[in-house]
Amino acid sequence: EPEVTQTPSHQVTQMGQEVILRCVPISNHLYFYWYRQILGQKVEFLVSFYNNEISEKSEIFDDQFSVERPDGSNFTLKIRSTKLEDSAMYFCASREALGSYEQYFGPGTRLTVT
Amino acid sequence: GQNIDQPTEMTATEGAIVQINCTYQTSGFNGLFWYQQHAGEAPTFLSYNVLDGLEEKGRFSSFLSRSKGYSYLLLKELQMKDSASYLCAADYSGAGSYQLTFGKGTKLSVIP
Repeated sequence: EPEVTQTPSHQVTQMGQEVILRCVPISNHLYFYWYRQILGQKVEFLVSFYNNEISEKSEIFDDQFSVERPDGSNFTLKIRSTKLEDSAMYFCASREALGSYEQYFGPGTRLTVT
Repeated sequence: GQNIDQPTEMTATEGAIVQINCTYQTSGFNGLFWYQQHAGEAPTFLSYNVLDGLEEKGRFSSFLSRSKGYSYLLLKELQMKDSASYLCAADYSGAGSYQLTFGKGTKLSVIP
């Protein structure tokens, strides 16, 4: 069964450093999302992406964040200058088409900022 | 913001039935999702309700009342593997983009 994959599974970085989290959505999916979940807290929407541009973004997704689909398979989330409060599990999700509603989540990348 | 409220924790016995309630703000609401999340894992889709009423899918059913801003997830014939967090999520986005606003989740413990 097709699945969303994410790399790395765990990333440790120092405050102020840039990180890139990578996702490979399911191949025929057209809509892509990033969510984050701080330990013990709720899952929070960051950004949605369709047709090579951002569809919607939350207040969390400030100028430090960016997303890119550099080729036909990868979808990346970049944090330019990490802060301690960016430590969280980051989930990528994808959805097939306009009429579909189910989002398939990847296994997540645990980001630890020290 | 749009508040999604659900109980923090519930405990139920193997083989029993449990109902997990969720309330949400109705303004701008499009539809209601339920996801299951085992500890340390990604959320997995359980159900989606857009119309009032009950949707049944095997041991799991989900109910929606749009006028009351209320949903519940019903789990029957509980199994130990059903111990997980159950996330209620509402779609408030425009143009069918399905941007999800999640509740804090209900941690369900199934005991023998």
